[in-house]
Amino acid sequence: KAGVTQTPRYLIKTRGQQVTLSCSPISGHRSVSWYQQTPGQGLQFLFEYFSETQRNKGNFPGRFSGRQFSNSRSEMNVSTLELGDSALYLCASSWDPGGTEAFFGQGTRLTVV
Amino acid sequence: SQQGEEDPQALSIQEGENATMNCSYKTSINNLQWYRQNSGRGLVHLILIRSNEREKHSGRLRVTLDTSKKSSSLLITASRAADTASYFCATGSGGSYGKLTFGQGTILTVHP
Repeated sequence: KAGVTQTPRYLIKTRGQQVTLSCSPISGHRSVSWYQQTPGQGLQFLFEYFSETQRNKGNFPGRFSGRQFSNSRSEMNVSTLELGDSALYLCASSWDPGGTEAFFGQGTRLTVV
Repeated sequence: SQQGEEDPQALSIQEGENATMNCSYKTSINNLQWYRQNSGRGLVHLILIRSNEREKHSGRLRVTLDTSKKSSSLLITASRAADTASYFCATGSGGSYGKLTFGQGTILTVHP
């Protein structure tokens, strides 16, 4: 069974630009969550989608948004990039987010210059 | 905000020794998961323990959970150099809809 796939793996963007990251969950998993990891703040929850609905959102500005498609694939978008958005963005998929394991992808390393 | 506090922040041992990492959390949980991360790459799932469980084993890993103390520990027995990584605990709570709250992690270095 294929794992969680995130694309692209690396990305360099300029301040003010926008970026879209993609996540394909494990087959059969309908829950996808996104996390930001930085050296200063650690791993922080961005949002969670289940059956195309956002059910939970972390404390991030509105520049961070996401969506989920009918095949459970998810995208997150960051608009008007700031230097502080440089981070490793991780996606996790789960069959039952309330009680089963969450499996992570390899992440997308975003660098904003 | 981080729910978990992990202890120690860094641990350095020799191959063959056991490594113990601790995690404390603040609110009631449904389950607690442990992950490994190598050099800023993705998180590798190690083990999940539910709130009604006290201990679980997987290979060289042993996890305990004490809900009365709101703490968990991860024991890696007979450590190998390949176990060198950062280890994180993550808690899931009722109604959190897939949100995991992570600790700051323990950096484990196993010297050959």
